[in-house]
Amino acid sequence: AQSVAQPEDQVNVAEGNPLTVKCTYSVSGNPYLFWYVQYPNRGLQFLLKYITGDNLVKGSYGFEAEFNKSQTSFHLKKPSALVSDSALYFCAVREGTGGFKTIFGAGTRLFVKA
Amino acid sequence: DGGITQSPKYLFRKEGQNVTLSCEQNLNHDAMYWYRQDPGQGLRLIYYSQIVNDFQKGDIAEGYSVSREKKESFPLTVTSAQKNPTAFYLCASSIGDALTRSSGELFFGEGSRLTVL
Repeated sequence: AQSVAQPEDQVNVAEGNPLTVKCTYSVSGNPYLFWYVQYPNRGLQFLLKYITGDNLVKGSYGFEAEFNKSQTSFHLKKPSALVSDSALYFCAVREGTGGFKTIFGAGTRLFVKA
Repeated sequence: DGGITQSPKYLFRKEGQNVTLSCEQNLNHDAMYWYRQDPGQGLRLIYYSQIVNDFQKGDIAEGYSVSREKKESFPLTVTSAQKNPTAFYLCASSIGDALTRSSGELFFGEGSRLTVL
């Protein structure tokens, strides 16, 4: 069965510092991996995805994520955090065999302090 | 602009009542989904549909029903059998069909917040 773990409920960083939001996954076969962001009382917005190819994936708003197959991880990163990055971040996984079912982690709240 | 429209944004229900949440998309996506969001639990899949006139149960389908009579529409009914319906409901869609599968990301609506009085 697919599963996603986001081990940190909350991450606090200072503006201008690098940020990392962690994600590990479990899925049979090759995974499709995604990151989404949610602002209060809004729907989720897509940030980036890994399907195949380079392990470092670049996405929207300066975010990137590194796929590590041996550690089954897909951590979200940004070199320099902005206050406006403060939001709820979700990691998600879908089976690479083509299933339609996308499973989400519990979410990590990011606070960026000015 | 293409997107997903959910309505109503806020809904109040008395115990024992059925309510229907609307979800319409003009992205020409084949696949549509309903998720429930509760604080600290992430998103849980209620139902999904890969194609018109077909849908599958997700992880928490009990107490919910759906229909997919048109490609653009995927309404969710929260029935009186759902014991704890107060939540934020999110509709989504993605590219893909039963033959080509889908590696695409989900596109979400703005959500509907249901409160049981």
